[in-house]
Amino acid sequence: GNSVTQMEGPVTLSEEAFLTINCTYTATGYPSLFWYVQYPGEGLQLLLKATKADDKGSNKGFEATYRKETTSFHLEKGSVQVSDSAVYFCALKDNNNDMRFGAGTRLTVKP
Amino acid sequence: GAVVSQHPSWVICKSGTSVKIECRSLDFQATTMFWYRQFPKQSLMLMATSNEGSKATYEQGVEKDKFLINHASLTLSTLTVTSAHPEDSSFYICSAISLGDIQYFGAGTRLSVL
Repeated sequence: GNSVTQMEGPVTLSEEAFLTINCTYTATGYPSLFWYVQYPGEGLQLLLKATKADDKGSNKGFEATYRKETTSFHLEKGSVQVSDSAVYFCALKDNNNDMRFGAGTRLTVKP
Repeated sequence: GAVVSQHPSWVICKSGTSVKIECRSLDFQATTMFWYRQFPKQSLMLMATSNEGSKATYEQGVEKDKFLINHASLTLSTLTVTSAHPEDSSFYICSAISLGDIQYFGAGTRLSVL
């Protein structure tokens, strides 16, 4: 079945450091790919998405490119801030509208 | 933006009792809502798809008689954990899909069964 594997956390970075959170997927067909973020005490929020190969999703300085050849959707940010501290979930949506999530990666950014 | 309200955020109950969790879309109508469960250090797992006015569709391995889902209106879906046991302790999250096909999530409910 469809699945998502993402980098285990926790990840701790200093402010202004470069962030990469790896995400790979297994799916039949052509899924849409997402990154969701969960800030402390809040629900999941959509951070960015890509619906077809080579698409790049971007938001709030975060980027991820849909790589079909490597079945990956790695999340990157060039310079993290303390306010980026959260849990990040990689997810896919298949043709049946079913969502599959990765286990989540907790990011802590220290000043 | 669209908001999904989930209530309660935390509930503790005795083994054998039933617990109801509400999921409301506050500023949009959602014909479809989803219920997820997250075990510690594991992925969110889809439990069921809730469709307004019809029976929920459960994922394989999820007991429909134990996890009762009622999608009574276009803005409300409820999940009732019947005869809860300690192994049902988990974090439950609902989500709703807007007309723009964006999925909005509730803040989650932490259930602890003693």
